Amino acid sequence: EPEVTQTPSHQVTQMGQEVILRCVPISNHLYFYWYRQILGQKVEFLVSFYNNEISEKSEIFDDQFSVERPDGSNFTLKIRSTKLEDSAMYFCARKSWDETQYFGPGTRLLVL
Amino acid sequence: AQKVTQAQTEISVVEKEDVTLDCVYETRDTTYYLFWYKQPPSGELVFLIRRNSFDEQNEISGRYSWNFQKSTSSFNFTITASQVVDSAVYFCALSRASGAGSYQLTFGKGTKLSVIP
Repeated sequence: EPEVTQTPSHQVTQMGQEVILRCVPISNHLYFYWYRQILGQKVEFLVSFYNNEISEKSEIFDDQFSVERPDGSNFTLKIRSTKLEDSAMYFCARKSWDETQYFGPGTRLLVL
Repeated sequence: AQKVTQAQTEISVVEKEDVTLDCVYETRDTTYYLFWYKQPPSGELVFLIRRNSFDEQNEISGRYSWNFQKSTSSFNFTITASQVVDSAVYFCALSRASGAGSYQLTFGKGTKLSVIP
């Protein structure tokens, strides 16, 4: 099954700047997830989004993070004031009918 | 709370050898799903397999096979006749299968497999 696409593939930003990462579903799915993978570490759940609302969020997903689906198709993760420790690969995933999550190619974020 | 342990951080094998990647999990849920994902050097996460907790049959797909043992809370992954293209980081993951919540994945730390030609 097709996954989702993500833009940009790479993003470099200065500490304190806002970044928006985008996830574009190939077909009309309701359940989406954002995960983060700090370099060399495991993949960690950030937030799930169902039917245009946050379903669940982890402790990592604090006030500097937000998600929305502004135009009914693209699904965005916003980091308001980036910190050095936000440098990571960010993955969007969509859930299939059989509960399998298929991941996008990821956005590699580097905060300087 | 859920937890996935992949005790092997890195494994190196010579091409054509068989290799088994271990995965041990902890969960209080009576029903759950187990997954394996492959992360090649390019960085994407590629789905390999999903297994329901009530289905303990082993599965084989080409050179890949999976051994699920509920009694030992293990879901091990074997690659037979390894190839250089198998070099990647492999993640085991767990999610709930019933009840409230979004069934997010809990990942292990991954095992980096290097297949040497």
